[in-house]
Amino acid sequence: KNEVEQSPQNLTAQEGEFITINCSYSVGISALHWLQQHPGGGIVSLFMLSSGKKKHGRLIATINIQEKHSSLHITASHPRDSAVYICAVLLSSGSARQLTFGSGTQLTVLP
Amino acid sequence: NAGVTQTPKFRILKIGQSMTLQCAQDMNHNYMYWYRQDPGMGLKLIYYSVGAGITDKGEVPNGYNVSRSTTEDFPLRLELAAPSQTSVYFCASSYSTGSGYTFGSGTRLTVV
Repeated sequence: KNEVEQSPQNLTAQEGEFITINCSYSVGISALHWLQQHPGGGIVSLFMLSSGKKKHGRLIATINIQEKHSSLHITASHPRDSAVYICAVLLSSGSARQLTFGSGTQLTVLP
Repeated sequence: NAGVTQTPKFRILKIGQSMTLQCAQDMNHNYMYWYRQDPGMGLKLIYYSVGAGITDKGEVPNGYNVSRSTTEDFPLRLELAAPSQTSVYFCASSYSTGSGYTFGSGTRLTVV
C-alpha cells in the first residue's frame, strides 16, 4: 500500500464547477505539499501546510492531521486549471529524503 | 529570478552511453534534490544534498552519481545508460526541509 494515496486519479469537470481532490496518508508527517504539474511538464508548488487551511486565489487547501487527510479545492474552475495535481508529505522524522509523493490527479476542465 | 535551471530539456542516449544532467539554482538554497518521474508513478528521490560537499542517496540511486561542489550546482551523472533509466528527471531545491520546494522544468531522457 502506498504511503500517500490520492483520489480520484482522473477528474473531468465543466468550467465553473467546484472541484475537490483528496489526499490520504498513512504515516506521521510534519508537512504536506500540494503541487501542480502543467501539461508541458513543469511543476509548481501551490501550498505547504501542517495544519488548518490555506487559500490562494481560487485554490484552497485543508488538512486534518488527526484524520491523516488533506483536500485541495478549486472554486469556479477554468480550463487553464487543467493539470496534474500532486500531493506530497514530509515524514515527521525530518530527513531531507523523506518527501513522499502521491501519483497525482489528472484534472481536465472543459469549456 | 531564474529559480532552478535544468539542462538539457530533452536527450536521447544509446545504451551504455554516459551523460550529465545539469541543475543550478540562484536562491541560495541549502537543499537540492534529484527526482525521476515514471508514467503513473509518484516522483522518486534519486539523490539529495543538504549543502555544498554533502550528498546522500535517496530511494532509487543505482546507476546515478551526484556531486555538490558549490551551493548553486547539483549535477546528476548517468554512467552506462540503460533503458530502465528512460524517465523524466526533475531537480528541485529548498531552503530547508520545512520550506517550500522550487522545481526545475524537467529533462525528458530516452535510452534506446
